[in-house]
Amino acid sequence: RKEVEQDPGPFNVPEGATVAFNCTYSNSASQSFFWYRQDCRKEPKLLMSVYSSGNEDGRFTAQLNRASQYISLLIRDSKLSDSATYLCVVNTRGAQKLVFGQGTRLTINP
Amino acid sequence: GAVVSQHPSWVICKSGTSVKIECRSLDFQATTMFWYRQFPKQSLMLMATSNEGSKATYEQGVEKDKFLINHASLTLSTLTVTSAHPEDSSFYICSARDEVTQGGYTFGSGTRLTVV
Repeated sequence: RKEVEQDPGPFNVPEGATVAFNCTYSNSASQSFFWYRQDCRKEPKLLMSVYSSGNEDGRFTAQLNRASQYISLLIRDSKLSDSATYLCVVNTRGAQKLVFGQGTRLTINP
Repeated sequence: GAVVSQHPSWVICKSGTSVKIECRSLDFQATTMFWYRQFPKQSLMLMATSNEGSKATYEQGVEKDKFLINHASLTLSTLTVTSAHPEDSSFYICSARDEVTQGGYTFGSGTRLTVV
């Protein structure tokens, strides 16, 4: 079983739609959680950290459920520029390295 | 914010030659840097953790003699792909974190290696 699992998609949604991504992680010692965005042939860039209480940044909302070991990302009012691959990333307590999910590919259609 | 510079952006080399990739933290010091590899349509896979002044820690299945890592200063880590073969063609990305500010992990822009 992969340490971080995501639905690879692809997700094709119309502009303005709301889209949600899910991610599960297997290591209960995981401490820090992130969503990264990666554009084609580019490096990943931090979209947002994910906190236990849930957090929001503009049109983006992230949720964490430690009991279920589940992370989500919600994008509201999607824009064409949101088209990218979204990576669920986990960091284990005491370890510095990040573990990446496979990524979910999103395409926003006009 | 923290900036990581990676060079070169892309390289094409002949099979059997060696290629060196540099990763620099521009405005912070990094005792630890990370090297990832990403094949098409796959996620980033950690290859090794580079430790300043000491040996790198390699992930299982990564040949340390093939992927040489040197972290000689607090701002520079290098990855050398020795005797490259076509199957080594991939996107190599480094990452570091400003340990003083405890900010997020920043990635270099990546190096696309093509071995012909």
